[in-house]
Amino acid sequence: SQQGEEDPQALSIQEGENATMNCSYKTSINNLQWYRQNSGRGLVHLILIRSNEREKHSGRLRVTLDTSKKSSSLLITASRAADTASYFCATVRAAGNKLTFGGGTRVLVKP
Amino acid sequence: DGGITQSPKYLFRKEGQNVTLSCEQNLNHDAMYWYRQDPGQGLRLIYYSQIVNDFQKGDIAEGYSVSREKKESFPLTVTSAQKNPTAFYLCASSLDRVETQYFGPGTRLLVL
Repeated sequence: SQQGEEDPQALSIQEGENATMNCSYKTSINNLQWYRQNSGRGLVHLILIRSNEREKHSGRLRVTLDTSKKSSSLLITASRAADTASYFCATVRAAGNKLTFGGGTRVLVKP
Repeated sequence: DGGITQSPKYLFRKEGQNVTLSCEQNLNHDAMYWYRQDPGQGLRLIYYSQIVNDFQKGDIAEGYSVSREKKESFPLTVTSAQKNPTAFYLCASSLDRVETQYFGPGTRLLVL
């Protein structure tokens, strides 16, 4: 069963706008990771946030983690056409040894 | 040039045939993983290995087999017992079991 569930499933925005997607999970985690996948390609790691962290930044990306609500969000600011991709959250459970992926959010950035 | 490679990019399987997908990494990572991705879906774990000569079943191991004889290599065999093998297969590696995973470019398996 999926540990992480992304919302929305799909998102369409204009270039320059911000894109926000959310991830909810069910059990206590060690860390939560966000990945990007361009069509037909492998996944690229974006950010890892640990259970004792609340916010991390990387360039135009901002990730938050709320362990009380068992949720995380990924914000892409000033989006570009090249940000068009699927974005996946993945969790490592507190006593776990593997990543469990959600179904992903498909983001389309229109020029 | 460090990284993780998969071959072939496309693979065609006939009925009743076993096929093997290659995955090689030169990142000196201990852990390696195989995932299956169906169209418009997330990744599902097939098998993983935390160390040479050891591997564990993931969530959908039936119809698949693996070996881990070398640290750098983690081949996946799709056996004839896997009745619906058409999918995109992704290999990944990581320093240890809970850290960032690095993915290969994937192999698309199609059934003739």
